[in-house]
Amino acid sequence: DIQMTQSPSSLSASVGDRVTITCRASQGIKNDLGWYQQKPGKAPKRLIYAASSLQSGVPSRFSGSGFGAEFTLTISSLQPEDFATYYCHQHNSYPWTFGQGTKVEIK
Amino acid sequence: QLQLQESGPGLVKPSETLSLTCTVSGDSISSSGYYWGWIRQPPGQGLEWIATVYYSGRTNYNPSLKSRVTISIDTSKNQFSLRVDSVTAADTAIYYCARMYKFGIPGTLEYWGQGTLVTVSS
Repeated sequence: DIQMTQSPSSLSASVGDRVTITCRASQGIKNDLGWYQQKPGKAPKRLIYAASSLQSGVPSRFSGSGFGAEFTLTISSLQPEDFATYYCHQHNSYPWTFGQGTKVEIK
Repeated sequence: QLQLQESGPGLVKPSETLSLTCTVSGDSISSSGYYWGWIRQPPGQGLEWIATVYYSGRTNYNPSLKSRVTISIDTSKNQFSLRVDSVTAADTAIYYCARMYKFGIPGTLEYWGQGTLVTVSS
């Protein structure tokens, strides 16, 4: 199985901060990676697909980068509605796997 | 607009079978070319992919669950289903159905159901 390791597991940040979350795959997955935002009691919402493509309707302050085994999700200016848990997900090979999540909290 | 809705019992006894159905509206599961499937999330924990099915019946399963899981599809009802046998407390989770992927279209898991909590307890 491909292991997805996210870091950090949690972070505290203020509104307006730039936030970066990293996801490392245990082997190369090309750009078969998505980023998801999950708020309490809600289903995950796709933010980024194919590592760097912004999902329609998602604010442009969200961006993704990377290829192969290392990927990042960046929020350029954190907004109050961005406090949530973020997951990376690889679909390069079965079984599909997810990172353990990064909880973004208010500082 | 595509919508997915999970349905099934919220409480299942240990050693029994968990059965869930996902009803799809706004798209045809047999003509869209997409794969469909299930993901679960134990309370307070991360996400786990369970299984994927195509309208033809082709399936993929997570090896960690494969011996106990069956995914199936009913194109006449625009539904797909999940069955988990011999459940234990470790199967307690929110179960999400989702539209998985389509060959030639980048990305996966664009659409999710709202999720349904299944508790395994006597």
